Amino acid sequence: ETGVTQTPRHLVMGMTNKKSLKCEQHLGHNAMYWYKQSAKKPLELMFVYSLEERVENNSVPSRFSPECPNSSHLFLHLHTLQPEDSALYLCASSQDYPPHTEAFFGQGTRLTVV
Amino acid sequence: AQSVTQLGSHVSVSEGALVLLRCNYSSSVPPYLFWYVQYPNQGLQLLLKYTSAATLVKGINGFEAEFKKSETSFHLTKPSAHMSDAAEYFCALSSNTGNQFYFGTGTSLTVIP
Repeated sequence: ETGVTQTPRHLVMGMTNKKSLKCEQHLGHNAMYWYKQSAKKPLELMFVYSLEERVENNSVPSRFSPECPNSSHLFLHLHTLQPEDSALYLCASSQDYPPHTEAFFGQGTRLTVV
Repeated sequence: AQSVTQLGSHVSVSEGALVLLRCNYSSSVPPYLFWYVQYPNQGLQLLLKYTSAATLVKGINGFEAEFKKSETSFHLTKPSAHMSDAAEYFCALSSNTGNQFYFGTGTSLTVIP
C-alpha cells in the first residue's frame, strides 16, 4: 500500500466519547501534519511532527491530543469534543521539515460531534 | 511573512472554455508553490508544483501554471474545461525558511454543461 491512509473515513461521536483518528504513511517521509477543514473556513494547521517530535502546536484546545509513536504513524486522540469540532480532519506528510516539497494528503476523516 | 491569496472564491466556466484560477503570493524568500485539487469529502491531491526550475509548470489532467516573480503570481489554467474538473482548488506555498505550508482559502470551480 502506498500514500497516506486515514481511518476511519467517517466518525460520529457524542460529546462525552473518547475516540482516536489514525494516519499512516508509506512514503518514508519525516514530517506529518494534522489539519482541520471546516465548511467555509480556510484549512487550519493543528499539529506538525518532524522525526516523531512535535514542532508546531497552533493553539489547539487540549481536547485534541496528538501522538506520533514512529515516523509512519500519527494519531489524533479526541475527548469531550464540542459540536463546533465537527469537520473534515486531514492528515498529510512531507519528505522533510521545514517542507521543501509537496505535502501528500490522506482522504480525511469526516467527524460529526452530536 | 508568507501568505497566499486566491482571488475569487467561486468561478464558473462553460464546458470547453478556458479555466483560469488566480493565485498571488507573498514571500521574502524564493517560494515553492503548489496547486491542489479537492473533490467532496476527499483529501487534497497535488496538481502541479513549482520548485525553482522551469517557470511554466505542467501538471496532471491538462492543467498548467506559470510562475511570474514580477507579478508574484502563480495562476492555474486549463485550455478546455471538462465536467470532471468541478472541484475545490487550493494554492499553497512553502519555502526553505518557512515552518509550514501556507494555503489559500480555495476556489470552487463549477463547470456548466
